Amino acid sequence: GQNIDQPTEMTATEGAIVQINCTYQTSGFNGLFWYQQHAGEAPTFLSYNVLDGLEEKGRFSSFLSRSKGYSYLLLKELQMKDSASYLCAVVDSNYQLIWGAGTKLIIKP
Amino acid sequence: DAGITQSPRHKVTETGTPVTLRCHQTENHRYMYWYRQDPGHGLRLIHYSYGVKDTDKGEVSDGYSVSRSKTEDFLLTLESATSSQTSVYFCAISEAGESYNEQFFGPGTRLTVL
Repeated sequence: GQNIDQPTEMTATEGAIVQINCTYQTSGFNGLFWYQQHAGEAPTFLSYNVLDGLEEKGRFSSFLSRSKGYSYLLLKELQMKDSASYLCAVVDSNYQLIWGAGTKLIIKP
Repeated sequence: DAGITQSPRHKVTETGTPVTLRCHQTENHRYMYWYRQDPGHGLRLIHYSYGVKDTDKGEVSDGYSVSRSKTEDFLLTLESATSSQTSVYFCAISEAGESYNEQFFGPGTRLTVL
């Protein structure tokens, strides 16, 4: 079967750095997405990785290791507005998105 | 923001009644998707469309049907709603179905089946 694993919930402090991990076992791999979803709202795109390595975009970075079936999302200089769920999704061999259950990130002052 | 609307935004219905949710896009994207989102689960694909009158089943299609008669509209129908179909339903669109297929999501419909 196909499986995406993420921690259910994480807590971090405003101004700090947090790393949200995602491991996957899927039938094929054609890329990995990270989405942000605030409570009661729609998911919005954060990043896409298809090659190994780190992609940096402002305060957010995403890393991928295809050999390890592993990705992480790194959030720096945390702000209260970063409190949200972060969804990891993998594009499988049929170009379907397989979604993780999401990680709820709580930011404390 | 991508032009995607969903209607209704909230609905309460009774078991056994038919329900239709509408997704409307103004982006002229080829692909449209219906997902459901439940606590403890990732987004789960119900059905998707890759063109007018071209649809296919997703992971959790039982009890749902779809139709796409125009590029801009994708309808999801629950023929006879059950309590297990209480969920938040998201429509999404994407320009391409392969490779870098970033999806843009509508605001969601919260459906409660009593």
